[in-house]
Amino acid sequence: IAGITQAPTSQILAAGRRMTLRCTQDMRHNAMYWYRQDLGLGLRLIHYSNTAGTTGKGEVPDGYSVSRANTDDFPLTLASAVPSQTSVYFCASSEAAGSTDTQYFGPGTRLTVL
Amino acid sequence: GQNIDQPTEMTATEGAIVQINCTYQTSGFNGLFWYQQHAGEAPTFLSYNVLDGLEEKGRFSSFLSRSKGYSYLLLKELQMKDSASYLCAVRDGDYKLSFGAGTTVTVRA
Repeated sequence: IAGITQAPTSQILAAGRRMTLRCTQDMRHNAMYWYRQDLGLGLRLIHYSNTAGTTGKGEVPDGYSVSRANTDDFPLTLASAVPSQTSVYFCASSEAAGSTDTQYFGPGTRLTVL
Repeated sequence: GQNIDQPTEMTATEGAIVQINCTYQTSGFNGLFWYQQHAGEAPTFLSYNVLDGLEEKGRFSSFLSRSKGYSYLLLKELQMKDSASYLCAVRDGDYKLSFGAGTTVTVRA
């Protein structure tokens, strides 16, 4: 049972570089989410997708972009990384947005921007 | 914006009971979730409340009072493996989850 996978597990990146964090789920969930988790701040929503082909902005979307070409994949791209984007990034999915469905989380990507 | 408050840290002894409180002020309400997160791992779902009252799941129980904007997670018969962060999350009127900063529970022998 894979559930949600994320890659890479961790990455050190020079400021100004472009980086794509990958997220794949095999549960055929319609909704997917990207969060960042910083000490003392909890999980904050970056972007979300209620269904394939649609995306939306969360609480902290600046500097990030997403795409949802199919049901399974939801990559997060940092066009030009900055040190404030150093964080742990979690991808999550749920069966359907706008319902009582539970969100399930991937193992996370630890990103350091120098 | 959303405002979700929970204590930063709690310490308890193995076999004891610990209650983690969560207060919230959100734009709309469509349920409250509790997640457990061990250090370096992903959050995992523990419980969900949408109506007032107590939900019991084995050693864990969660309570909700919508009129007071208040929930608690009760952990009974604490075990060492319960040492983790516990995240309170509220689903708002737009069905988005907002998370508290988490409560780190340390269980001591």
